[in-house]
Amino acid sequence: DGGITQSPKYLFRKEGQNVTLSCEQNLNHDAMYWYRQDPGQGLRLIYYSQIVNDFQKGDIAEGYSVSREKKESFPLTVTSAQKNPTAFYLCASRPRDRVITEAFFGQGTRLTVV
Amino acid sequence: AQKVTQAQTEISVVEKEDVTLDCVYETRDTTYYLFWYKQPPSGELVFLIRRNSFDEQNEISGRYSWNFQKSTSSFNFTITASQVVDSAVYFCALSDPANTDKLIFGTGTRLQVFP
Repeated sequence: DGGITQSPKYLFRKEGQNVTLSCEQNLNHDAMYWYRQDPGQGLRLIYYSQIVNDFQKGDIAEGYSVSREKKESFPLTVTSAQKNPTAFYLCASRPRDRVITEAFFGQGTRLTVV
Repeated sequence: AQKVTQAQTEISVVEKEDVTLDCVYETRDTTYYLFWYKQPPSGELVFLIRRNSFDEQNEISGRYSWNFQKSTSSFNFTITASQVVDSAVYFCALSDPANTDKLIFGTGTRLQVFP
């Protein structure tokens, strides 16, 4: 089935460690996104990528990094510079062959710093 | 500035009641898109509807209906005869006119439907 797969579902990290969240899609979508969700704050955009080997910062990019080496994959690294990384992270993708289509979301990764 | 406001943080209803979730938006652009998503306990956001700014017709899909009013910058969502399976967080979102690849989300409304 086509869709977006995020892994792992739950992730625990010690303070000071970098950690990478995986996002893979088989929908042949050009655009991919990472959002962070905190209670009561909705979704905030971290990074997005419109094509392979290109990406842009979103509203809260500090402390995060991404890569887009393949169309299907858009991993997010939460670095030790992110002061408050405990959150729910959602990956999304969208085709770019039509104007303003809806985004498709993965099931999310819940990151907890211990 | 572009903004989406969902003033209702949490709503609780009993099964079979009708419930309306409010969404008010701000945008300087004349061309924009509005969306509603559902987030069940599993976490994944499920797309419900997309509406462009030139189409003010209300839409009905089964028990779901949407009322788009440009005059009041609102895009409200009504569930008729609510069911326990409707329990979720619902998000309203607006396309960013300066960057059509971005969506601006509201803070969400948590709906709890009790049997």
